[in-house]
Amino acid sequence: GENVEQHPSTLSVQEGDSAVIKCTYSDSASNYFPWYKQELGKRPQLIIDIRSNVGEKKDQRIAVTLNKTAKHFSLHITETQPEDSAVYFCAASHYNQGGKLIFGQGTELSVKP
Amino acid sequence: DTEVTQTPKHLVMGMTNKKSLKCEQHMGHRAMYWYKQKAKKPPELMFVYSYEKLSINESVPSRFSPECPNSSLLNLHLHALQPEDSALYLCASSQDQFAGGQSGELFFGEGSRLTVL
Repeated sequence: GENVEQHPSTLSVQEGDSAVIKCTYSDSASNYFPWYKQELGKRPQLIIDIRSNVGEKKDQRIAVTLNKTAKHFSLHITETQPEDSAVYFCAASHYNQGGKLIFGQGTELSVKP
Repeated sequence: DTEVTQTPKHLVMGMTNKKSLKCEQHMGHRAMYWYKQKAKKPPELMFVYSYEKLSINESVPSRFSPECPNSSLLNLHLHALQPEDSALYLCASSQDQFAGGQSGELFFGEGSRLTVL
């Protein structure tokens, strides 16, 4: 079955710096890759997603890139702010697995003012 | 309304108690999910209901019993739990089971924090 590995497990940056979180997946049939942000004590919330027919997607300060050949995708956050501090989870799924999301282990991002 | 509402927010129960967690959504979504989450770990899928029928059971112990009374409601009945079952239980919904493929994102509720003594 699908396996998603996420690195790093913790990331500390200064406010205003960029942050990059990387994920690799094992099943080449996966075609949907969402990123969820979970603040302390809150629900996971979708912040951006990408489908396999697209290489890059941006939404203001966040962007996701997908390399299907290498089976990895990355989250890029620019001009980080303290409110970006949270745990970020990547995930992968494909239609033939009933749409089941396979999550990475998470990255705890800390943005220091 | 893009909310998934879960009750109760907190629940403490003994190992011999019977309790239920409830989840409600009014987005017209036809797939609903139960996840279990330990601190700083990813959500672990437990059950999926699609069009009110159980579609996926991830080999969850029978002390957890899901129920989908209608397309807007999802319950999780709890009986004879163990202390290791203490966790945040998240309900989620999506337009259909194939979340993201054609149907957009998975919406999570705020969760029910369960403590088993």
